[in-house]
Amino acid sequence: EAGVVQSPRYKIIEKKQPVAFWCNPISGHNTLYWYRQNLGQGPELLIRYENEEAVDDSQLPKDRFSAERLKGVDSTLKIQPAELGDSAVYLCASSLEQSNSPLHFGNGTRLTVT
Amino acid sequence: QKEVEQNSGPLSVPEGAIASLNCTYSDRGSQSFFWYRQYSGKSPELIMFIYSNGDKEDGRFTAQLNKASQYVSLLIRDSQPSDSATYLCAVIYSGYSTLTFGKGTMLLVSP
Repeated sequence: EAGVVQSPRYKIIEKKQPVAFWCNPISGHNTLYWYRQNLGQGPELLIRYENEEAVDDSQLPKDRFSAERLKGVDSTLKIQPAELGDSAVYLCASSLEQSNSPLHFGNGTRLTVT
Repeated sequence: QKEVEQNSGPLSVPEGAIASLNCTYSDRGSQSFFWYRQYSGKSPELIMFIYSNGDKEDGRFTAQLNKASQYVSLLIRDSQPSDSATYLCAVIYSGYSTLTFGKGTMLLVSP
């Protein structure tokens, strides 16, 4: 079984530039998550999708962050414009639909904003 | 406020010893508890999950849950240098369907 696939693995951009991350979840996993992990911290949820519907985006900074999950499979997370404080690892995860199903993480995208 | 508390460590143990990692959570109604291991520069990987009070064993790993004390722990027997990583405790709070993670405890196992 293929795992969660994310790209790119690394991204370096200047502040005020846009950036986008892509995620392909495990086949059959209806629930998709985007987490952000700062150095020395645990992952923090940005947004959760059930199929194509965003069911929890309360922690997503909507002034600059946006996400979509067209057709309920792949997802993209966009930041525009990026700020220095956005430097972090952005993790995508997926799970089965049941609420206590374990999450499976992708390798993440390490974003550096200069 | 959903909180998951872990000692950041590092917790240092010699090879072959038992490593004990602890986690407390703030919502007494929480039902699902997970331990993830994260190597430096890598993404978290699931080690164990536990839903019921008591112990759950899987190989060298034992998860312990005490809902009355709002406490969950992970024991690693016969610790190996390859166990050196950050261990993240995660909780699904009642009425909420997403994992809330602690900051993680760094474990260092010396040969």
